[in-house]
Amino acid sequence: NAGVTQTPKFQVLKTGQSMTLQCAQDMNHNSMYWYRQDPGMGLRLIYYSASEGTTDKGEVPNGYNVSRLNKREFSLRLESAAPSQTSVYFCASSYGASLDYEQYFGPGTRLTVT
Amino acid sequence: QKEVEQNSGPLSVPEGAIASLNCTYSDRVSQSFFWYRQYSGKSPELIMSIYSNGDKEDGRFTAQLNKASQYVSLLIRDSQPSDSATYLCAVTFAGGYNKLIFGAGTRLAVHP
Repeated sequence: NAGVTQTPKFQVLKTGQSMTLQCAQDMNHNSMYWYRQDPGMGLRLIYYSASEGTTDKGEVPNGYNVSRLNKREFSLRLESAAPSQTSVYFCASSYGASLDYEQYFGPGTRLTVT
Repeated sequence: QKEVEQNSGPLSVPEGAIASLNCTYSDRVSQSFFWYRQYSGKSPELIMSIYSNGDKEDGRFTAQLNKASQYVSLLIRDSQPSDSATYLCAVTFAGGYNKLIFGAGTRLAVHP
């Protein structure tokens, strides 16, 4: 039981490049989330998906798109990367359909945009 | 005013002591509260959730919630050097469908 997995672990992009961060969970959870974490700041929710086929904006959605591919997988896409998107990105999942449920996090992706 | 506030620390406590971590939040209708532990360079790990006023105990950890005063705290008894980490408080607002806000975290250092 791997829990929540993320790929890649590290990535360096040039400004304007695109990339997709992958996330998968094997806990049969209904909801999945994408966060970013910047130094001195708390985790900020980018997008979440309460169930397969649905996605909702979080606190900082601009510059990102998401896809809930199936119950297990939730991807985050940066269409045109900017230096302001340099951050650590975490995927998380939870059993319930609202943000009131306990969330379990993946190991993170460290992204640098130059 | 930030919606969820924590003292950034570091909070330094001797091994075996009680560490007390505090978190205040801005919205009286908040209903779900979480504490996560994050080691340097690692992902957040859930310690405890609490949904109603009072204390909730799990091993060496006790979460305390006071909705009237809008604070939630985490007590760590018999602190160990392995407890040294950043502790994140998270709060849902407006029933959890709208917002989940994390505090910036308090760094705890337990020294032998």
